[in-house]
Amino acid sequence: AQSVTQPDIHITVSEGASLELRCNYSYGATPYLFWYVQSPGQGLQLLLKYFSGDTLVQGIKGFEAEFKRSQSSFNLRKPSVHWSDAAEYFCAVVSLYNQGGKLIFGQGTELSVKP
Amino acid sequence: GAGVSQSPSNKVTEKGKDVELRCDPISGHTALYWYRQSLGQGLEFLIYFQGNSAPDKSGLPSDRFSAERTGGSVSTLTIQRTQQEDSAVYLCASSFGQGTPYSNQPQHFGDGTRLSIL
Repeated sequence: AQSVTQPDIHITVSEGASLELRCNYSYGATPYLFWYVQSPGQGLQLLLKYFSGDTLVQGIKGFEAEFKRSQSSFNLRKPSVHWSDAAEYFCAVVSLYNQGGKLIFGQGTELSVKP
Repeated sequence: GAGVSQSPSNKVTEKGKDVELRCDPISGHTALYWYRQSLGQGLEFLIYFQGNSAPDKSGLPSDRFSAERTGGSVSTLTIQRTQQEDSAVYLCASSFGQGTPYSNQPQHFGDGTRLSIL
């Protein structure tokens, strides 16, 4: 079965420091991958997506992610974190075993930003 | 509005009561999804609609849960005889799903309904 693992439940970084959030997936073929961000009391906002082609994808708010097939990873990065980036981040893969493309989510990584 | 709209934003009810949660998707989006977000289980898929039909109901946790979609637009998720374990945030998402076996269209989420069962 497909699954997504986010190994880090909580990460704290200083404002201005770089950020990398880890995501690993299990699937035999090239998956459709997404990163979403959720601020408290709000829904999920799409940061970026990977379907095929260039393995380095750019997203909104200065985020990027790199797909590495050999490592089954899709890590999210940002060169310089802003206090407003504090939120919960979810990695997700589209389920290819059911119609409709439902999303399978990782458990999420909560990001705190120190001033 | 331009986004997915969910109502109510918060709902508190007593155990055993029925509740209805509403989702108004983005205009033109044919695919609609319900997810549940709870502390112990994370984000879980509940049901998927393509138009008014629901090809995938595999995530509904029990027969107390049902959902319908009318006119290819608004959807209602109903929970009968609510239990405390139903307490969660219920999120709705929509996309330009084309009814293919799987869709690469990004899903756009509403802000959710926070359901609390006393």
